[in-house]
Amino acid sequence: EAGVTQFPSHSVIEKGQTVTLRCDPISGHDNLYWYRRVMGKEIKFLLHFVKESKQDESGMPNNRFLAERTGGTYSTLKVQPAELEDSGVYFCASSQDRTGLRNEQFFGPGTRLTVL
Amino acid sequence: GDSVTQMEGPVTLSEEAFLTINCTYTATGYPSLFWYVQYPGEGLQLLLKATKADDKGSNKGFEATYRKETTSFHLEKGSVQVSDSAVYFCALRGNKFYFGSGTKLNVKP
Repeated sequence: EAGVTQFPSHSVIEKGQTVTLRCDPISGHDNLYWYRRVMGKEIKFLLHFVKESKQDESGMPNNRFLAERTGGTYSTLKVQPAELEDSGVYFCASSQDRTGLRNEQFFGPGTRLTVL
Repeated sequence: GDSVTQMEGPVTLSEEAFLTINCTYTATGYPSLFWYVQYPGEGLQLLLKATKADDKGSNKGFEATYRKETTSFHLEKGSVQVSDSAVYFCALRGNKFYFGSGTKLNVKP
C-alpha cells in the first residue's frame, strides 16, 4: 500500500512568485492535514480536511495561503505571493477515522520550500 | 495553550551509548503523548505513544514514560546504533497535534 506522497520534494522560488504543493493521502483516508516546519522550529498545524471540507483551518498563517481538496482525494496548498518567511518544510498527513484524533496520522516526506 | 518543549540538538553519541532526549509539555486536560522519528529523506514515522499517565510506550528499544507529575515524556534508549541517526519529535494530541522543534541525533560508529 502506498504511503502519503508529496510533490515536489523541493521547490526554490523567488519572492512574489506562486507555488503549489500537492499531497496525495493514503487511499481511503478521509482526513488530511497540512503542517509546516519553519527554520528548524516546531512543526505547526496548518489545517485539517475531512473529505473535501475544511474542518479546521485555524493554523493557516494568512490569506496568501489557499488549501483545496476538490473531490476529497488529493490536496493542494498554494502560496501566492510567496514571502521569505514562508520558507520551510511543508508536511502532509492523513488518517482514517472521522475525528482525525483516534487513529495514527501517517506523514509524507515533506516539501522543502525555499523562497529567495 | 498546549505546547511541547524538547531539548535542542544536535545530540552526538557514539554507538552503544545511552540516549536521553528530554520532552516536557503544557496542556489542558489529558493529552496523548507521542514520539515521532524522521529518517533522512523520509516522512515522520510514529515511534511510540502513551495515552495516559504512567503509561510506558516502547518500540525498537526506545522507551518513554508519561509522567503527569513532571509533565514530561523523555525518550530513552539503552544502546544506540548508527541506524538511529534521525530527527526525533515529541508531540501531544489534545484537540489537535502539537509538536516540539525536533532533536537531531547523530550516532557515530
